[in-house]
Amino acid sequence: AQKVTQAQTEISVVEKEDVTLDCVYETRDTTYYLFWYKQPPSGELVFLIRRNSFDEQNEISGRYSWNFQKSTSSFNFTITASQVVDSAVYFCALRGPSGSARQLTFGSGTQLTVLP
Amino acid sequence: DVKVTQSSRYLVKRTGEKVFLECVQDMDHENMFWYRQDPGLGLRLIYFSYDVKMKEKGDIPEGYSVSREKKERFSLILESASTNQTSMYLCASSFRGSEQYFGPGTRLTVT
Repeated sequence: AQKVTQAQTEISVVEKEDVTLDCVYETRDTTYYLFWYKQPPSGELVFLIRRNSFDEQNEISGRYSWNFQKSTSSFNFTITASQVVDSAVYFCALRGPSGSARQLTFGSGTQLTVLP
Repeated sequence: DVKVTQSSRYLVKRTGEKVFLECVQDMDHENMFWYRQDPGLGLRLIYFSYDVKMKEKGDIPEGYSVSREKKERFSLILESASTNQTSMYLCASSFRGSEQYFGPGTRLTVT
């Protein structure tokens, strides 16, 4: 069975602070995929990143960076110099390799509030 | 850009009514999904489809059915709406095993 845990239910920071959103996953698959999605107040989930289990290289995209560590089964997301527009619910998700395992298992989400 | 559209942003129905939620994607994706989102529970998969006329149950299919007659359209049906089906419903599509793209969601209230 697959499981994704986002232990931080809510985080509040002041603009320009750095913030890290934690994601811990459980899976028996040797090949799997990890995702982060952003859900702004408008409601639509926006895809941010996909990571394969065989690629542990960290990734940076502008103010966003992701730290994937298989040894600790974590895929953490850091926003540098946060902005008010970053306020949203962020979801981490996990998917298996094929067949019915292609469905996503989502964490319960972290509500990030960036205060001006 | 991938475009996933849902027929309504807000919907109010009465208990016992039959409810249709429509989802259309314009990127020729094979896979389509229906989720419901409730506070504290995250997203839970109701049904998904890998191809036209094919469907598979997700984690919470009870009280729902689906229809996929055309590749671009995936409908969620509440046969007899109940108050515990008040929720946000999200449709998504994906190409094979790639990331899923989501629609704007339908907030359904059953009174």
